[in-house]
Amino acid sequence: AQSVSQHNHHVILSEAASLELGCNYSYGGTVNLFWYVQYPGQHLQLLLKYFSGDPLVKGIKGFEAEFIKSKFSFNLRKPSVQWSDTAEYFCAVGPANQAGTALIFGKGTTLSVSS
Amino acid sequence: DAGVIQSPRHEVTEMGQEVTLRCKPISGHDYLFWYRQTMMRGLELLIYFNNNVPIDDSGMPEDRFSAKMPNASFSTLKIQPSEPRDSAVYFCASSLDQWWGDGSGNTIYFGEGSWLTVV
Repeated sequence: AQSVSQHNHHVILSEAASLELGCNYSYGGTVNLFWYVQYPGQHLQLLLKYFSGDPLVKGIKGFEAEFIKSKFSFNLRKPSVQWSDTAEYFCAVGPANQAGTALIFGKGTTLSVSS
Repeated sequence: DAGVIQSPRHEVTEMGQEVTLRCKPISGHDYLFWYRQTMMRGLELLIYFNNNVPIDDSGMPEDRFSAKMPNASFSTLKIQPSEPRDSAVYFCASSLDQWWGDGSGNTIYFGEGSWLTVV
């Protein structure tokens, strides 16, 4: 069975600090990987995704994530966070090229950015 | 498109009462998902449908929970009887067929959630 681990439950940063949120997954086959963001009081929105190709993917708002297959990781990064990045971040995984499956999410990481 | 529409947005109910959450997926989407979000467990998949047929309901916590999708544009998640530990945000989401592998950019789209409090 698939599983997703996000090791950081709550991260607190000052504006302009660099961010890295960890995500590891467990699955024996080829996967598609996603990061979703949930701003306070809002629904989940897609931040970025990896399907194939360049393992370094860039998303909206200056976020990027790197897929390291050997480590089963898909860490999210941003060089300089802003107060508006305060939100909950979810990593998700789904089997590639396989019908009848659903995304499995990690428990989420709450990011608090102070101005 | 209006996106995934859920109702009610907020509900407070007493223990033992029946709760019905509703969802209208994005038109044309073949998959519909129900997720539950809590502080302790994060975002859990409860059940999902493909072309109105339940595919995997292994995430449904107990027999008190049931979900239906009578047609392509409507789904319900029912809790009967409700308990305080059911308090959570329930998200509905939908996606086009084959979102996962073709690199077309399709993905899963979430509604704004139904915030349930059972007292």
